[in-house]
Amino acid sequence: KAGVTQTPRYLIKTRGQQVTLSCSPISGHRSVSWYQQTPGQGLQFLFEYFSETQRNKGNFPGRFSGRQFSNSRSEMNVSTLELGDSALYLCASSPQPSGAYNEQFFGPGTRLTVL
Amino acid sequence: AQRVTQPEKLLSVFKGAPVELKCNYSYSGSPELFWYVQYSRQRLQLLLRHISRESIKGFTADLNKGETSFHLKKPFAQEEDSAMYYCALNTGNQFYFGTGTSLTVIP
Repeated sequence: KAGVTQTPRYLIKTRGQQVTLSCSPISGHRSVSWYQQTPGQGLQFLFEYFSETQRNKGNFPGRFSGRQFSNSRSEMNVSTLELGDSALYLCASSPQPSGAYNEQFFGPGTRLTVL
Repeated sequence: AQRVTQPEKLLSVFKGAPVELKCNYSYSGSPELFWYVQYSRQRLQLLLRHISRESIKGFTADLNKGETSFHLKKPFAQEEDSAMYYCALNTGNQFYFGTGTSLTVIP
């Protein structure tokens, strides 16, 4: 099976702009989670989608939003970008929601740089 | 509140020496704990989970509910073990990751 794919791999934006990141889960996986990874904070949970519904949301401002499509692909949007949003954004998929104690399979990440 | 704590950001050991990466968690329910590893230029991947009680690449981790710890151990470190290691807690609603420990095995 093909692994989790994320596009684009690299992005450079300026403050105030918005950005959309995409994640395609492993075929058959219906749960997609998003994380922000920074050197000082490690991985911080953004949100999880399962069957097109947001199951959980981490402690991030409303500028961070997401959605999931019927084919389980997911997008994450960040509006009004700030310098502090520069990070590696990771997507992870699993067959079932995280409550079912499934392993998460990670994508390579999208490196976002905000200037 | 920080759910998972990895006190060491950097850890260096010599090849052949024992290695222990510490992980403490905070959760009142029944925890599901994992260790994930990220080798250079590779994606994050599962190393082991406590529920399976297996040894992967010589690594083991025992859940100690009394001390709320899930330390990762290997008796003899190898150069290929150099990587970033993350401890993760699944509460049933979401995963919480520690800030990671960068392990360097010195030849």
